[in-house]
Amino acid sequence: EDQVTQSPEALRLQEGESSSLNCSYTVSGLRGLFWYRQDPGKGPEFLFTLYSAGEEKEKERLKATLTKKESFLHITAPKPEDSATYLCAVQEVASGTYKYIFGTGTRLKVLA
Amino acid sequence: DARVTQTPRDKVTEMGQEVTMRCQPILGHNTVFWYRQTMMQGLELLAYFRNRAPLDDSGMPKDRFSAEMPDATLATLKIQPSEPRDSAVYFCASGLEVDTEAFFGQGTRLTVV
Repeated sequence: EDQVTQSPEALRLQEGESSSLNCSYTVSGLRGLFWYRQDPGKGPEFLFTLYSAGEEKEKERLKATLTKKESFLHITAPKPEDSATYLCAVQEVASGTYKYIFGTGTRLKVLA
Repeated sequence: DARVTQTPRDKVTEMGQEVTMRCQPILGHNTVFWYRQTMMQGLELLAYFRNRAPLDDSGMPKDRFSAEMPDATLATLKIQPSEPRDSAVYFCASGLEVDTEAFFGQGTRLTVV
């Protein structure tokens, strides 16, 4: 069965304390992996798309990487405004249609 | 300021009533998605459209849910009859293409009592 698992479920960091979030997946045919950020009471906000193993994308304090089995979202020197839930989603093609499977997210809290 | 607009933002209804949620996608986007988010299940894809044609609705309970795009500026998700287990936040999202990133609306929080 296709699965997307994110870890840890929750993470508390001190401001400036770098860390990584994990998204592991088992799908038959990965077409793309997406990272989103979601603030309370709002819709997910797009961060990155990765398409092939070895690919990396960066934006401010965030860097996303992809292997054949997992993706990491690295947060360097986080600030309190980075506090949010981070979601990854896997896109695959099955029976001629696109399927999107979201992980349950990592709730990140950055303390000042 | 291009964004996806959803109405209503909150809806409380009694079991058995019909509920209609509306979405205005970003102008120029040809793909519209409907998602449901709950604490237990997270985000689940219900259905999506490309150029107003339904491509996949396998995530949607067919007996009570229906999704349509009457025109390029409006997508609707209807539940009839509603049940307490339908309580969730429903998100609409749009994208330039099926395989590109999606831009989400603020969601409709549905409570069925």
